[in-house]
Amino acid sequence: ETGVTQTPRHLVMGMTNKKSLKCEQHLGHNAMYWYKQSAKKPLELMFVYNFKEQTENNSVPSRFSPECPNSSHLFLHLHTLQPEDSALYLCASSQDLGGSSYNEQFFGPGTRLTVL
Amino acid sequence: GENVEQHPSTLSVQEGDSAVIKCTYSDSASNYFPWYKQELGKGPQLIIDIRSNVGEKKDQRIAVTLNKTAKHFSLHITETQPEDSAVYFCAVSNYQLIWGAGTKLIIKP
Repeated sequence: ETGVTQTPRHLVMGMTNKKSLKCEQHLGHNAMYWYKQSAKKPLELMFVYNFKEQTENNSVPSRFSPECPNSSHLFLHLHTLQPEDSALYLCASSQDLGGSSYNEQFFGPGTRLTVL
Repeated sequence: GENVEQHPSTLSVQEGDSAVIKCTYSDSASNYFPWYKQELGKGPQLIIDIRSNVGEKKDQRIAVTLNKTAKHFSLHITETQPEDSAVYFCAVSNYQLIWGAGTKLIIKP
């Protein structure tokens, strides 16, 4: 596997379920990100990790719980979600933090989440 | 905080014609301006970027121009081809990337 991979690619869950999204990067990067993508809206940054430490939490509801066990893996644990949480969840990685070509963000294909 | 507006939301052009997408931003301290392309079923991918000390950058059929005074930058695609059909996102950064809402580009055969 190369680049950034995400599993599962599609997920349908009920409001009372608990599920987890997985992201893995094979690029040797130090920073990893979770984004929420909704139709015709800007990408919403949810969480940022740098060297396994969380550096950003953009007022995300507690029903989303991230976990970063090492620099290559990132999880998003989901519980008691709402229908409005249905979206494409994208994982990305970059060499380090900061806006520059050096820190280009590489994205996975996303997990399409539907909450019934 | 930074605010990024992207126009148009949808752009349909004839194959072979040019396409222009424009973004405006509010924070004059922003100094890095990337453009990402998202194809169906994939995550966004960087296609070109520009720093604030440069006015224009070209890479084959794509170019980006930056007007720091007016706080806007644009993506130009010339001689459009079917594979250019995608959603294009601009972003602005002083440190963290702030994203535009995206432009769906449709290339008509």
